[in-house]
Amino acid sequence: DGGITQSPKYLFRKEGQNVTLSCEQNLNHDAMYWYRQDPGQGLRLIYYSQIVNDFQKGDIAEGYSVSREKKESFPLTVTSAQKNPTAFYLCASSPYRGFHEQYFGPGTRLTVT
Amino acid sequence: AQTVTQSQPEMSVQEAETVTLSCTYDTSESNYYLFWYKQPPSRQMILVIRQEAYKQQNATENRFSVNFQKAAKSFSLKISDSQLGDTAMYFCAFLDRDDKIIFGKGTRLHILP
Repeated sequence: DGGITQSPKYLFRKEGQNVTLSCEQNLNHDAMYWYRQDPGQGLRLIYYSQIVNDFQKGDIAEGYSVSREKKESFPLTVTSAQKNPTAFYLCASSPYRGFHEQYFGPGTRLTVT
Repeated sequence: AQTVTQSQPEMSVQEAETVTLSCTYDTSESNYYLFWYKQPPSRQMILVIRQEAYKQQNATENRFSVNFQKAAKSFSLKISDSQLGDTAMYFCAFLDRDDKIIFGKGTRLHILP
């Protein structure tokens, strides 16, 4: 059963701690994306990767870091430098090279107090 | 830079009625894709419909159809015979040549029994 998994669904952290959000896909997609969703803001692109071992900053990359060591995995680390980390985080993937829609995971709600 | 504007933050309609959600976008590209995504209360993003800019024919998917006006840069979504399960946030989205999607801020749609 192909798809995108994100874990955990809810995550709680204390301020000042780094936290890593997991994203795995078994769709054999080349490209993967991380979005942040805040109320009234729509989805904003944090980082994206179109090929293994390569990634680019999106519109709001400050305070975040990623890695892409395997095609199926694209973890996102929310660092202590991110000023407002509490949000809903969505991971997506798509086939590369050509116009394709993105397929989304179920999301992770991160709360930092 | 491309932008996507959804001018209706929130809408309510009675079950079985038809509703139209508006979307306008700005781009200098001639070939691109447009999408409508649905995000129900579960927060899972679901693709509703896609439109290729070089196709003049409006896309349809069962009760969902679009009115694509390329010259006016307008891409509205029509939901016919609305159902309670259509209650969700709806996002209009533009896919650029770099495989990056720009999302509008969304329209929250309530289907009333």
